[in-house]
Amino acid sequence: EAGVTQFPSHSVIEKGQTVTLRCDPISGHDNLYWYRRVMGKEIKFLLHFVKESKQDESGMPNNRFLAERTGGTYSTLKVQPAELEDSGVYFCASSHIQGRSTGELFFGEGSRLTVL
Amino acid sequence: QKEVEQDPGPLSVPEGAIVSLNCTYSNSAFQYFMWYRQYSRKGPELLMYTYSSGNKEDGRFTAQVDKSSKYISLFIRDSQPSDSATYLCAMSANSGAGSYQLTFGKGTKLSVIP
Repeated sequence: EAGVTQFPSHSVIEKGQTVTLRCDPISGHDNLYWYRRVMGKEIKFLLHFVKESKQDESGMPNNRFLAERTGGTYSTLKVQPAELEDSGVYFCASSHIQGRSTGELFFGEGSRLTVL
Repeated sequence: QKEVEQDPGPLSVPEGAIVSLNCTYSNSAFQYFMWYRQYSRKGPELLMYTYSSGNKEDGRFTAQVDKSSKYISLFIRDSQPSDSATYLCAMSANSGAGSYQLTFGKGTKLSVIP
């Protein structure tokens, strides 16, 4: 079974440019999450989709970040315009619909973003 | 004060040693406690999961939660070079249909020397 797939693995862009990160969750997983780790800091929650709906976007840092999950399958996270402080590793995770929480989030390998 | 405190290490031990990793937290609402293992350039993978207080054992790994002290631990017995990774504690107050928002520690980098 394929795991969570993220693309690109590494992106280097200039400040002010736009970058779009893509995440393909495990097939059948309704929950999709974006997390981010900036250098020297903890991994932090950005937002949570249930199917195509945003369940919680309280971690999104500002309106330069736009996440979508059309059709409830893959998700994109767009940063426009990118700033230096957006550099970090963006992780996507997915999980099956929860009845009782199990902690079973399956993470992708991350997309490393470098803004110059 | 950070919600979750974790010593980033690095921690270096000889093969076969018992490893003790721990985190402290400040949010009394946390009920779900997890340990993730992350190899270099990979995503975190769930290692252990505990609900509320108590111990949980899985092979060479034991997770302990002491909610009264707001302290969680992960013990690795008979450590192996393949255990060399970054270990992240994570916690959550939510379950069910709500947001599954994990709060992570910074991670402790462990090296097991053959």
